[in-house]
Order: sequence, then structure tokens, then C-alpha cells
Amino acid sequence: ETGVTQTPRHLVMGMTNKKSLKCEQHLGHNAMYWYKQSAKKPLELMFVYSLEERVENNSVPSRFSPECPNSSHLFLHLHTLQPEDSALYLCASSQVVLPSGDGTDTQYFGPGTRLTVL
Amino acid sequence: KNEVEQSPQNLTAQEGEFITINCSYSVGISALHWLQQHPGGGIVSLFMLSSGKKKHGRLIATINIQEKHSSLHITASHPRDSAVYICAASNFGNEKLTFGTGTRLTIIP
Repeated sequence: ETGVTQTPRHLVMGMTNKKSLKCEQHLGHNAMYWYKQSAKKPLELMFVYSLEERVENNSVPSRFSPECPNSSHLFLHLHTLQPEDSALYLCASSQVVLPSGDGTDTQYFGPGTRLTVL
Repeated sequence: KNEVEQSPQNLTAQEGEFITINCSYSVGISALHWLQQHPGGGIVSLFMLSSGKKKHGRLIATINIQEKHSSLHITASHPRDSAVYICAASNFGNEKLTFGTGTRLTIIP
């Protein structure tokens, strides 16, 4: 138990569906992340929110839309996905050192959501 | 070419053996992370280090900043150590982590 929870754990959706992934952290951290893990590829960073502001999105397709309503919750809204979007989606949180913002404290990962797009 | 390279990609060993997993990186970093991912996807952060050596139980992580190289060692390996071990580099002043492809470790009883 890392203090980061994700729901649902498994999701199967059609290409025309709209769904959302949820992440919640109970660690008091100020930064949250979405990662995508495809088979036989390194983890890919999708979005970073630091102090509830998006700081990086790495040119992720617009069919993925993040939302961070507060420092404890992070959503990933999905619509019109493609089969190649099937992957494990991992959420993580960390405490970014302020005010210089230098370095990154250890990231704590949730268990992931296994997404299958039919 | 990935900015963070790990070797070997797969490693199978007998219970009790001493295990070494290597990580080389080509980017400037502020810290190097070692993560463990068990079947089913759950990831646990093992170490974050920026210099020298850290030890936790049977796990030891070392880093050589000049050579841009880190190693993860497991002493007296056990079947429950079977997992994918991932090396990741974080950049100074940036929350981004750059991940290696992972090393799949299998410990046979």
C-alpha cells in the first residue's frame, strides 16, 4: 500500500466510449503524474501537475484529457480512444521541494488501471 | 536510443545468488531512482540516490556520477525478489522522470 489509489483497476471500452480514470493520493504531496506503460516499452510520462497547475504534457493526443481539481485528486478523461491506447495507466505523486523546485522526491505509484480498447 | 539504458533485460538466477542490475544514463540528473514492479503492475520505489551508496535490507544501490552509472544489488536472492526492476533518472528542477526499459528478474527456488 503506497498511499496512492487508482480506480478502476481494469477497464474495457469501445472506441466510441467516454470514460474516466481516477487517482487519489493520501500522502499530502503537491505533485501528481499520469504515466502510460505499453508492453515492452519504457514508462511514458503523459501529464504532470505541480501545485494543481499542469507543467508538462509531452504532446499527448487530445483524446486524453487530464483534470486535477485539488492536490489529492487526479483524473484522466478518455474519449474516442484507439486500440493502440490499450496499456497500463499509472498514477504517481511526489513532494516537490519549494521554493527552488530543485530535484524530485521519490515518486509513489498507484497500482495502475489496465485499459483495453476494443 | 533511450537516454536511460539497463542491462541485462532478463536475468534468471538460483535462490541465494548475488544479483547485479546495471543502469547507464546519458542525461544530466539530480537523482537516480530504482523501482520494483511486481506482476499485475504495482510499482514500489526502492531507492532515490544522487551520490554514493544506499542500503535497505538485502538491497544495495550505488551510483557513480562521473561515469553516469548506477547498480542495484540483491544479496541472498529469494523467489519473492522476482519482479521487473526499473531505473529512472530525474532532472534538476524538473519533475520529469526518464525511465529505462526495465530488467526482468526471475529467482528460481
